[in-house]
Amino acid sequence: NAGVTQTPKFRILKIGQSMTLQCTQDMNHNYMYWYRQDPGMGLKLIYYSVGAGITDKGEVPNGYNVSRSTTEDFPLRLELAAPSQTSVYFCASSYAQGALGANVLTFGAGSRLTVL
Amino acid sequence: KNEVEQSPQNLTAQEGEFITINCSYSVGISALHWLQQHPGGGIVSLFMLSSGKKKHGRLIATINIQEKHSSLHITASHPRDSAVYICGGYGGSQGNLIFGKGTKLSVKP
Repeated sequence: NAGVTQTPKFRILKIGQSMTLQCTQDMNHNYMYWYRQDPGMGLKLIYYSVGAGITDKGEVPNGYNVSRSTTEDFPLRLELAAPSQTSVYFCASSYAQGALGANVLTFGAGSRLTVL
Repeated sequence: KNEVEQSPQNLTAQEGEFITINCSYSVGISALHWLQQHPGGGIVSLFMLSSGKKKHGRLIATINIQEKHSSLHITASHPRDSAVYICGGYGGSQGNLIFGKGTKLSVKP
């Protein structure tokens, strides 16, 4: 099993450019998440999805968009990149949410994005 | 004030020492994850627990939901345990994970 695959691992953007971070999981997980991690800060939830066709905003959604057309894929779109979006982004997935059985949370390897 | 607080922020230990990392939260949560982030950046889920205690090898996690506190213990610590340990609780209005800032552990040989 590949688990959660994120691409690209590294990217440098100029202010105003757009890009998509790709995330794919092969575990048939219902829940998928996008987090950003800034130095000295905890993981912050950007967007999440509870299943194909359903997405919702997390704590820090501004400047981002997502879609969930299939169970496997959950891309994160950055429109008009800004320096404040310089961060490390993690995609994650889980079978369920909360205290439900063996709810394993699986993370991708992370994508380091720099906006100059 | 963060809803999830970890202590200590940084911890240096000698190989073989018993280590405790604490996680306290101010919101009601239903369950909590302990994560390990390696120096290379990858994140691995160690435990999810909603009550009592779980053990995996040299790692032990405990939680008291009513007291809003969880601990991660590492017995016979080893340099390969050096990592950032992050706790996250399912809570808030949407029931999503709320993470602490992490505890950076360095184990010296």
